Amino acid sequence: GESVGLHLPTLSVQEGDNSIINCAYSNSASDYFIWYKQESGKGPQFIIDIRSNMDKRQGQRVTVLLNKTVKHLSLQIAATQPGDSAVYFCAEFVSGNTGKLIFGQGTTLQVKP
Amino acid sequence: EPEVTQTPSHQVTQMGQEVILRCVPISNHLYFYWYRQILGQKVEFLVSFYNNEISEKSEIFDDQFSVERPDGSNFTLKIRSTKLEDSAMYFCASSRSKPYEQYFGPGTRLTVT
Repeated sequence: GESVGLHLPTLSVQEGDNSIINCAYSNSASDYFIWYKQESGKGPQFIIDIRSNMDKRQGQRVTVLLNKTVKHLSLQIAATQPGDSAVYFCAEFVSGNTGKLIFGQGTTLQVKP
Repeated sequence: EPEVTQTPSHQVTQMGQEVILRCVPISNHLYFYWYRQILGQKVEFLVSFYNNEISEKSEIFDDQFSVERPDGSNFTLKIRSTKLEDSAMYFCASSRSKPYEQYFGPGTRLTVT
């Protein structure tokens, strides 16, 4: 069945440290995997995506790693800042006419000053 | 930067009443979606819309739900007879040419009493 999940519900890091948020998925047929950030009272905000035929993709201060062998996805945030505090969701894109996103449970990232 | 907007931000209604949630997607986008998030849970796909018709829908999207794009800018979700379990945040999303890169609105909090 379709299932996307996250390993840890809460991650607490010191400002300036690097953060790593993990995600496990079960649907090998997904074409894309995406990370979203959700701040309190707001909708999910697109961070970065990775195509299923890639292992790594870098953005501004973020890196997404995809390990298809173990069906694992991670988001690395460099030099974590207080503004990074939010809930982070991984999602897999299931192709179709328009496709749809299947979200995981979410990891709360707390950045300590 | 263009954003998806949603109104109202909070809607309180009595069980059995009809509600219409409104969204204005980003203007040059082609794919439109509704998702919902029950408090403390993950974001769930409801329905997708493309080329003026429903493309895909989830098992949640039963006969009580309908969507419309009445003009070139608005995208609405109607719930005909609300139930207590319909209480959730409802997010509208849109995408342009990459359906996996979806941009979400701030959401409408629906409270059914």
